[in-house]
Amino acid sequence: ELKVEQNPLFLSMQEGKNYTIYCNYSTTSDRLYWYRQDPGKSLESLFVLLSNGAVKQEGRLMASLDTKARLSTLHITAAVHDLSATYFCAVDDFTSGSRLTFGEGTQLTVNP
Amino acid sequence: NAGVTQTPKFQVLKTGQSMTLQCAQDMNHEYMSWYRQDPGMGLRLIHYSVGAGITDQGEVPNGYNVSRSTTEDFPLRLLSAAPSQTSVYFCASSEVGNYGYTFGSGTRLTVV
Repeated sequence: ELKVEQNPLFLSMQEGKNYTIYCNYSTTSDRLYWYRQDPGKSLESLFVLLSNGAVKQEGRLMASLDTKARLSTLHITAAVHDLSATYFCAVDDFTSGSRLTFGEGTQLTVNP
Repeated sequence: NAGVTQTPKFQVLKTGQSMTLQCAQDMNHEYMSWYRQDPGMGLRLIHYSVGAGITDQGEVPNGYNVSRSTTEDFPLRLLSAAPSQTSVYFCASSEVGNYGYTFGSGTRLTVV
């Protein structure tokens, strides 16, 4: 059974600080997704990581994938209040790409 | 471009009532899936489909039925609603060989 674990589950940080969210998964998969969710909203796709060593950056967010360690990280640089949201990582079904297994989510609050 | 459309957005049911959550996509995606989101548990897969006429169970299928008679539609049926089915439900679609998922806006269901 595929398991996806995120930590921390709750993160409160000050504006301007850096931090990293970790996502561990239990099966061999080369496809890892990061989503953002604002309260009462749907999921917004942030990154799709498709191979070992993949690194993607958008603004203050950078995601990386290490398939050997079965680990992905979402690094936040110089946080701003607008980044406050819940962040999910998810792993694709390896054989078909037809469904996702999600982590529990990290609720990020950026304080002024 | 409508993407994935879910209806209704909100619903209140009494215990024992039945209803169907609708999900439609206009992108000709082969894969469709249903998830439920409960606080602190991320999103969990209920049922999924890899094409018209083909469905399979996910992690939490009990109490839900699905069918896929067309590529576009993937309804989720609750035969006899229970308070434990109070949740937010998301439908998603994805394309063969193109690794990315499109999510609907969600249905917030309350069973009293």
